[in-house]
Amino acid sequence: GENVEQHPSTLSVQEGDSAVIKCTYSDSASNYFPWYKQELGKRPQLIIDIRSNVGEKKDQRIAVTLNKTAKHFSLHITETQPEDSAVYFCAANTGGFKTIFGAGTRLFVKA
Amino acid sequence: ETGVTQTPRHLVMGMTNKKSLKCEQHLGHNAMYWYKQSAKKPLELMFVYNFKEQTENNSVPSRFSPECPNSSHLFLHLHTLQPEDSALYLCASSQESNAATEAFFGQGTRLTVV
Repeated sequence: GENVEQHPSTLSVQEGDSAVIKCTYSDSASNYFPWYKQELGKRPQLIIDIRSNVGEKKDQRIAVTLNKTAKHFSLHITETQPEDSAVYFCAANTGGFKTIFGAGTRLFVKA
Repeated sequence: ETGVTQTPRHLVMGMTNKKSLKCEQHLGHNAMYWYKQSAKKPLELMFVYNFKEQTENNSVPSRFSPECPNSSHLFLHLHTLQPEDSALYLCASSQESNAATEAFFGQGTRLTVV
């Protein structure tokens, strides 16, 4: 079955700097890659997603890139702000009713 | 409010108790899920229901028993749990067709087994 690896587990950046979180997946059939943000004590919420027919997607300060050949995808946050501090999860889905999540990255943005 | 409601928010139970977690979605979705979230671990998929039919049981111990009476409600019945079952249990729903879509999560039930 699908396996998703996520790195780093913890990331600390200075406000205004960029943050990059990387994930790899094992099932080449995976075609949907969402990213979720979970603030302390709250539910995970989708922040951006990408499908396998595109290589990059951007939404304001957030971008995601996908390399299908290497089977890895990354989340990029530019001009980080303290409110970006949270746990971020990547995930992969083959199109069935089964989304597999990475272990999460705890991002700290220092003011 | 995302439209997925879980009750209770917190639950403390003994190892010999029987309790149930409830999830309700008001989004008209056709798929519902139970995930387990433990410290420093990935969100672990436990069960998947599609139009109230179970399509996935991810090797979950039988002390966890799901029930989906209709496409809007999902239960997780718990009995004879172990302390290592203490975790945040998240329910989610999505509208699945021939392509995967966003999962909407509930607030979760924080379970402590004593």
